[in-house]
Amino acid sequence: DAKTTQPPSMDCAEGRAANLPCNHSTISGNEYVYWYRQIHSQGPQYIIHGLKNNETNEMASLIITEDRKSSTLILPHATLRDTAVYYCIVRPTGNQFYFGTGTSLTVIP
Amino acid sequence: DAGVIQSPRHEVTEMGQEVTLRCKPISGHDYLFWYRQTMMRGLELLIYFNNNVPIDDSGMPEDRFSAKMPNASFSTLKIQPSEPRDSAVYFCASSTMGGGVQPQHFGDGTRLSIL
Repeated sequence: DAKTTQPPSMDCAEGRAANLPCNHSTISGNEYVYWYRQIHSQGPQYIIHGLKNNETNEMASLIITEDRKSSTLILPHATLRDTAVYYCIVRPTGNQFYFGTGTSLTVIP
Repeated sequence: DAGVIQSPRHEVTEMGQEVTLRCKPISGHDYLFWYRQTMMRGLELLIYFNNNVPIDDSGMPEDRFSAKMPNASFSTLKIQPSEPRDSAVYFCASSTMGGGVQPQHFGDGTRLSIL
């Protein structure tokens, strides 16, 4: 699996957009980018995934650069409930997930 | 819809005892995964099943750990005998066909403490 690099921690003001970066410079052509988050004492929660194109769902947007070497998860209007550890994962089809250390996002009132 | 259901939520037992963790995957999902999470090692995959058959158990730490999936709606992870270093949060996850592309859905975990 391609290795990912994320900042260990970030802060975001409540109501503002949270932009979480992820570098995956060794990603292969068949590897998808996934984002999960883990709120304290809960299991990881799937957020979004994509291959090449930008993706949007009810939770977030995923922006993947044209060379696919990095991506950004955008939470458009962060709330206190979005405080969590966010994991960026890349993997080929048919293989397992490897969770790194993620980014600890704190939403500040 | 019901998500992945794990039981018990918390387990405290003494060293040497047998521990059994249980998981009910989401109905219709044909992949089931067992993970362990600790502060030191983060989230690690222990074993996963496809259509009730174990596919990769390379993450199982040692022979004291075993996992079974007798049918599509139930799986167990057993530790016998348990040791203090087994203390962790154990998660079960499931996904539908195409485990590589489809996201995994996690339960809320079992917090295991071995005294």
